[in-house]
Amino acid sequence: DAGVIQSPRHEVTEMGQEVTLRCKPISGHNSLFWYRQTMMRGLELLIYFNNNVPIDDSGMPEDRFSAKMPNASFSTLKIQPSEPRDSAVYFCASSLGVGNTEAFFGQGTRLTVV
Amino acid sequence: AQTVTQSQPEMSVQEAETVTLSCTYDTSESNYYLFWYKQPPSRQMILVIRQEAYKQQNATENRFSVNFQKAAKSFSLKISDSQLGDTAMYFCAFPQGGSEKLVFGKGTKLTVNP
Repeated sequence: DAGVIQSPRHEVTEMGQEVTLRCKPISGHNSLFWYRQTMMRGLELLIYFNNNVPIDDSGMPEDRFSAKMPNASFSTLKIQPSEPRDSAVYFCASSLGVGNTEAFFGQGTRLTVV
Repeated sequence: AQTVTQSQPEMSVQEAETVTLSCTYDTSESNYYLFWYKQPPSRQMILVIRQEAYKQQNATENRFSVNFQKAAKSFSLKISDSQLGDTAMYFCAFPQGGSEKLVFGKGTKLTVNP
């Protein structure tokens, strides 16, 4: 298995632009997570899906952030409009979703908003 | 709120020596898993070891072992025979509320010196 695949690996964009991050989870995994990592706040869970349904989006910072999972093999995290404070590494992770199982992470997308 | 605390922001150890990273957590659950993840400079999040709370025996994976004290809600990671490749950030994590949502500590930056 190729593991969790994220794209792009790096993204540099100008303030105000729309940014879309993409994730392909491990086949057979039922849960998908989006995390944001910054020096100040560490790893924060933004949203997670189970069987393609958003279960908890309480970590999404504001309305500029949205996430979708149209099918079991694809998810997107969109920021519109982007701001410099959104600069961070964004991780996607997936798990079997049977409670208390470990999450497998993608390599992350380093987002820089200038 | 369920939290994870790593009290050592940075640690260093000489190659071949042993080092212990500490983690405490707070939960009202009785049965859960605990995880240690490693994040090397490549930024990939890698599962190092996991512990099931209902098991008395401490988990071991080669040079990595845990000291799990359930009553004290303590979950430390011991790395024996430290190698240069162990240089990384180490994160303690556990599922919040028995769900798939992993809550992470702030991390400990470990440097192994030659």
